[in-house]
Amino acid sequence: NAGVTQTPKFRILKIGQSMTLQCAQDMNHNYMYWYRQDPGMGLKLIYYSVGAGITDKGEVPNGYNVSRSTTEDFPLRLELAAPSQTSVYFCASSYSGGDTEAFFGQGTRLTVV
Amino acid sequence: QQPVQSPQAVILREGEDAVINCSSSKALYSVHWYRQKHGEAPVFLMILLKGGEQKGHEKISASFNEKKQQSSLYLTASQLSYSGTYFCGTGPLPHYGQNFVFGPGTRLSVLP
Repeated sequence: NAGVTQTPKFRILKIGQSMTLQCAQDMNHNYMYWYRQDPGMGLKLIYYSVGAGITDKGEVPNGYNVSRSTTEDFPLRLELAAPSQTSVYFCASSYSGGDTEAFFGQGTRLTVV
Repeated sequence: QQPVQSPQAVILREGEDAVINCSSSKALYSVHWYRQKHGEAPVFLMILLKGGEQKGHEKISASFNEKKQQSSLYLTASQLSYSGTYFCGTGPLPHYGQNFVFGPGTRLSVLP
């Protein structure tokens, strides 16, 4: 059982470039989330989804986009990368929301130079 | 609004106990606790729900005071493996979403 899989694990982008962070889960979870974690800080919610075709903004959505065409996949798109987007990005999933535990992927460490 | 955690950091010797606190200014439906080791993903410890239900690991204990919007995580007879950063997450509703927010974390170091 793979759980939540994120790719890539590391990436360096130049300012203005774009990229997609991939996230897939094999637990048939309805809820999926994208968080960013800056050094020494907590987790900030970027976007979340409560099911295929349904997404909504979190605390810090600016500069990002998401889509959820299937239950398994929840990619995060960065457009026009900026140094402020340098962070570790975690994807997570849960079965039914706030009353069930979240399973986190191993993270993607992104540096924008 | 982000919950407040205290203390910010704590250093223990193996076998000692610790309490980590989490408080919110809003009425809560759930409190979640996660532990994150350096360079790794957060790992689930416990969920406490309004009404008294708890879900989590048997070796971890926690409390949830709904009236005060506070939760405490109790780490007893600490082991070296307990080292890491502990995050609480709080939400007013029975789902995640933008109203569910994580605290800044409490860094715990357990020394031999």
